Amino acid sequence: QVQLVQSGAEVKKPGASVKVSCKASGYTFTGYYMHWVRQAPGQGLEWMGWINPNSGGTNYAQKFQGRVTMTRDTSISTAYMELSRLRSDDTAVYYCARDSGSAYWGQGTLVTVSS
Amino acid sequence: EIVLTQSPGTLSLSPGERATLSCRASQSVSSSYLAWYQQKPGQAPRLLIYGASSRATGIPDRFSGSGSGTDFTLTISRLEPEDFAVYYCQQYGSSQGLTFGPGTKVDIK
Repeated sequence: QVQLVQSGAEVKKPGASVKVSCKASGYTFTGYYMHWVRQAPGQGLEWMGWINPNSGGTNYAQKFQGRVTMTRDTSISTAYMELSRLRSDDTAVYYCARDSGSAYWGQGTLVTVSS
Repeated sequence: EIVLTQSPGTLSLSPGERATLSCRASQSVSSSYLAWYQQKPGQAPRLLIYGASSRATGIPDRFSGSGSGTDFTLTISRLEPEDFAVYYCQQYGSSQGLTFGPGTKVDIK
């Protein structure tokens, strides 16, 4: 069965970077785009961008351009999302999701940004 | 960017009642690439509807989606206790990327 397993919770200081991983199993990793979505506490869902695991091509939401980098390692079927220059309002649960209109989501990774 | 607006913000209903949730797009959504998700506290979103009207695997038939262009609707025919949650629409037909609506909370009256 399809599973997306994300890395554990992180606590970071303002200005630092965080890298969240999403390990895929149960399907051909290179066959589906991987999206990243975040959700601040008590707020809605916000799309951050996608990566094509086959080519490595990316498409980032304008809001995150210059701060987000999405990569992948096909040898271990894992996608990564790195967010730099963290601010307190980046505190959120970060999700990976296979493809758009997706039935398959990771469990979420809480990133807390606090001094 | 396609902006999605959902109404109402909160819907207070009793179990057994019918729920009608609206999602309006700022421009036409390509090929009805519109999805609906349910989210409960502490959980990842759950896909209910894709392609505006197709139910995802395992979703009960009390959930139905309709609409095209800029106006879409999620209907829950008879609310079950487990249906009280937040519902989001999402468009995924734009080359600029995906967007979500702000959500509609369905709570118990």
